[in-house]
Amino acid sequence: EADIYQTPRYLVIGTGKKITLECSQTMGHDKMYWYQQDPGMELHLIHYSYGVNSTEKGDLSSESTVSRIRTEHFPLTLESARPSHTSQYLCASSESVLHGEQFFGPGTRLTVL
Amino acid sequence: KQEVTQIPAALSVPEGENLVLNCSFTDSAIYNLQWFRQDPGKGLTSLLLIQSSQREQTSGRLNASLDKSSGRSTLYIAASQPGDSATYLCAPHNNAGNMLTFGGGTRLMVKP
Repeated sequence: EADIYQTPRYLVIGTGKKITLECSQTMGHDKMYWYQQDPGMELHLIHYSYGVNSTEKGDLSSESTVSRIRTEHFPLTLESARPSHTSQYLCASSESVLHGEQFFGPGTRLTVL
Repeated sequence: KQEVTQIPAALSVPEGENLVLNCSFTDSAIYNLQWFRQDPGKGLTSLLLIQSSQREQTSGRLNASLDKSSGRSTLYIAASQPGDSATYLCAPHNNAGNMLTFGGGTRLMVKP
């Protein structure tokens, strides 16, 4: 059973607000990921981290930023939210082994008005 | 760049049928492949991880096969149940870049 948590589950905010989506895992995984998924569409990787103080951009360009100060925590921040940021954001983690199995959190559904 | 296609895009069947969901990928240089289930508005649940050296992997009523050289994987669901209704996603793990690439999924509806 994967123990990976995301908060909030749902968020509705106005344009221009700064928001942080939280992701935590209790499995001690070094690798963590953020994916973006529009309704009915494919998942796209926007950020990943191989460990503390390591962050990289994924395949899909995103205006969001991430940080990895602690192994278990990988928050995603939008400095100024826009309606184009409306989407579902999914966090995942995996073991340090090469190409380890990825486990996903429940997701945060973000709506920017 | 890896591209993943899942066929059919949607499937509706009566309860009890055996199903085959298809996944094809363009770059055969993969390390492994994961099958996931996603319920509406929810996250992904990992169903099976099949290594590139394996031909099959089984978990309960689920069986995944992998033909790496031809770029194909299938997910077989035996004796389908209404609780199996969800979107099923396949994601090969590419050797280069160490990342998953997702297909568009197959939306499955199993009717009682």
